[in-house]
Amino acid sequence: KAGVTQTPRYLIKTRGQQVTLSCSPISGHRSVSWYQQTPGQGLQFLFEYFSETQRNKGNFPGRFSGRQFSNSRSEMNVSTLELGDSALYLCASSLAGTGGIDTQYFGPGTRLTVL
Amino acid sequence: GQNIDQPTEMTATEGAIVQINCTYQTSGFNGLFWYQQHAGEAPTFLSYNVLDGLEEKGRFSSFLSRSKGYSYLLLKELQMKDSASYLCAAYGQNFVFGPGTRLSVLP
Repeated sequence: KAGVTQTPRYLIKTRGQQVTLSCSPISGHRSVSWYQQTPGQGLQFLFEYFSETQRNKGNFPGRFSGRQFSNSRSEMNVSTLELGDSALYLCASSLAGTGGIDTQYFGPGTRLTVL
Repeated sequence: GQNIDQPTEMTATEGAIVQINCTYQTSGFNGLFWYQQHAGEAPTFLSYNVLDGLEEKGRFSSFLSRSKGYSYLLLKELQMKDSASYLCAAYGQNFVFGPGTRLSVLP
């Protein structure tokens, strides 16, 4: 089975711009979670989608949004970029049904640099 | 609130045993996961505990005490390739990750 894929792998943007990141989960996985990883804050949960519905949301401003498509692929969008948004954005997929708990498999991440 | 604590750094010698501790406070706790992350790479799953006790997977074992809000990851027969960050993650309504423990294995 192919693993979790994320595109693009690297991205450079300037302040005020917006960006869209894409994640394709492992085949059969319906849950997709997004995380932001920075050296200072570690891995922080952004949101989780399951069957096209946002199931959980972390403590990030409304500039961060996401969606999931019927094929389970997911996108996250960050509008009005700030310097502090520079980070590694990781996507993780799992089978996670109604109970929610299941092993997550991470993609390689998208490294976003905001200048 | 939710809080997870791990030591920042640890050093051990090749062939030795090392224990990485993790304490957590989360609402609606459902399980504790351990991930390994090499520099510049994505985290990879190592082990998880839902019930109290020890789970063994080859050279890696993980222990959980729900009443104490405590877990540890035990790595045996350390190898140089085990040098990485080890992330503890508690699952309540979603995953909450600890800051990670950077392990350096020396020859």
